[in-house]
Amino acid sequence: AQSVTQLDSQVPVFEEAPVELRCNYSSSVSVYLFWYVQYPNQGLQLLLKYLSGSTLVKGINGFEAEFNKSQTSFHLRKPSVHISDTAEYFCAVSRKTSYDKVIFGPGTSLSVIP
Amino acid sequence: DTAVSQTPKYLVTQMGNDKSIKCEQNLGHDTMYWYKQDSKKFLKIMFSYNNKELIINETVPNRFSPKSPDKAHLNLHINSLELGDSAVYFCASSQESRQTYNSPLHFGNGTRLTVT
Repeated sequence: AQSVTQLDSQVPVFEEAPVELRCNYSSSVSVYLFWYVQYPNQGLQLLLKYLSGSTLVKGINGFEAEFNKSQTSFHLRKPSVHISDTAEYFCAVSRKTSYDKVIFGPGTSLSVIP
Repeated sequence: DTAVSQTPKYLVTQMGNDKSIKCEQNLGHDTMYWYKQDSKKFLKIMFSYNNKELIINETVPNRFSPKSPDKAHLNLHINSLELGDSAVYFCASSQESRQTYNSPLHFGNGTRLTVT
């Protein structure tokens, strides 16, 4: 079975500073990878996804993530954060080989400090 | 125009009661889900329906029963509510099918259930 780890449960960062949110996964088969964002009192929204091809994936709101197969990682980055980026961020995986559920990581709470 | 809508947004009830949460999607998706988010924000899938057929049924108490009258609707009925059922319940949909496994999820805004 696959699993997802997000080592940082909380990440405080000053406005306009860069940020990296870490995600590692384990799976015996190839996977699809996703990052979702959850703003307060809302549902999750897709930030970006890696299906195949280029390992650097660009998403909405200036976020990007890099798939590293050897390190089984899919870290999310943004060069300059805004107050509005304060939210919960979830990494998620699903297996490529079968119809299966999406497994979510425990989430990272990003707090942008003015 | 809301893509995935669920009602009610808040639900406060006493232990032992029975309650339902409704979900509708207007995206034309084939698959719908129920997720439970606990107080620590951890998300766990409960059920998944594809074209009204139950596909995923995680280890969830029998008190929880999903019903999908058509592929645009997926309701969740909970019997004999317990304190531990307090959580935020999210409905989601995707274009997932047995041929494609990479469609992203579209979530509703959640139903915050509080059992007292």
